[in-house]
Order: sequence, then structure tokens, then C-alpha cells
Amino acid sequence: SQQGEEDPQALSIQEGENATMNCSYKTSINNLQWYRQNSGRGLVHLILIRSNEREKHSGRLRVTLDTSKKSSSLLITASRAADTASYFCATDPTGNQFYFGTGTSLTVIP
Amino acid sequence: DTAVSQTPKYLVTQMGNDKSIKCEQNLGHDTMYWYKQDSKKFLKIMFSYNNKELIINETVPNRFSPKSPDKAHLNLHINSLELGDSAVYFCASSQGTGSGELFFGEGSRLTVL
Repeated sequence: SQQGEEDPQALSIQEGENATMNCSYKTSINNLQWYRQNSGRGLVHLILIRSNEREKHSGRLRVTLDTSKKSSSLLITASRAADTASYFCATDPTGNQFYFGTGTSLTVIP
Repeated sequence: DTAVSQTPKYLVTQMGNDKSIKCEQNLGHDTMYWYKQDSKKFLKIMFSYNNKELIINETVPNRFSPKSPDKAHLNLHINSLELGDSAVYFCASSQGTGSGELFFGEGSRLTVL
């Protein structure tokens, strides 16, 4: 299958700590995106990293991409209770569609 | 104004019934999608339309039929509903096909009894 697979499935941390979640995929990609989904809501785009990029930052988010290992990581620094959500990576192996996985459920304890 | 809006938000129905979910986007995007999210949160693409034309039809039963009257609307009609159709259905849009940011609606939770 072509979807990204996030790891871990669930993560619980204290407020102020950093949260790291990983995504592995199976085929070559054009780019990879990370999305956040709050409970009962739609997905919201966080960041896009292209296949020729290795690292990208946006505020407290840092994304890395290792195309040789077919993996990406999302780091959220200085986490807040409001960061509690599910995080998904999306890959586009064909340049035509995005495929998602089951996400990482992040709980930030105040 | 909501960028991508879906109606209804909740839908409870009996097995065997036919139901529709409507989606509209006001972003001027030319590509729209339907995704299905199951109880384990796995998000699976079902259909993709670009300028009212079907681009992607993943392995979805024929009971599911998308209809795009114009590029701002993509509706999903489901015939002969089954228990396994219970899920949250998300509409999304993007500018162009692939490589662009997806904008999602808030989802339509379908429960089949």
C-alpha cells in the first residue's frame, strides 16, 4: 500500500516537553505533508516538505525528511495543551494524490 | 465564511437506505476529494475530481457515486447502505492535483444501524 505509517500510534507528554513523531512510507515521493486533526474536526495542514529538502521549520514545528530511509519526523517543541490532537503524514507517490495513515495521537498533559 | 463545507454533519440511517452528503468549497480550487476515515482513524482516499472530471476512483464499491455539478461542488451518494459504511467522510479541495495543500471540511459522521 502507498500510505504513510505514523509511529508511535499514541504519545503522552507533559506540557513544555518536546514531541517527536515519525512517518515511514514505501514508495518514492514528490513531497510529504503533515496535518493535524483535533478531535471531531477536519484535518488542518501544518507543513509541506519537498523531496529535495532535508529539513523545514515553521514556528515550533520542525520536519525532517530522509528519502534514503523513506522516513520523516515531526518535532513539536515546547508543547502546549492545545497541541493535543492527532497528527498525520501524507505522501504523494504519483504527484496526483495524497495518501494518509492512521496518525499519531498526541496528548499534552497540562 | 467556511472554506470547505459539508452537510449534513451527522447522519444516522438504517441498512439498505440511500443517502447523500454534499460538499462545497469557496476557495476557487479546481480539485476536490472524498476521504473516508474509519474508527481507527485511517484516512483513505475514495475519489478525486479535477474540474468536474473524475481522476481517481480507488477501490470503492459501485454503491458509492460521486457527482460534481461544477468545480465548487462534489457530492457523494451512497446506495444500499451497509454497516461497514459507518465512518466519517471528509471532503477536501486543493489547487491542482497533488503537491498542494489540502483543505478539509469538518467531516460528516455516518452511522448505519
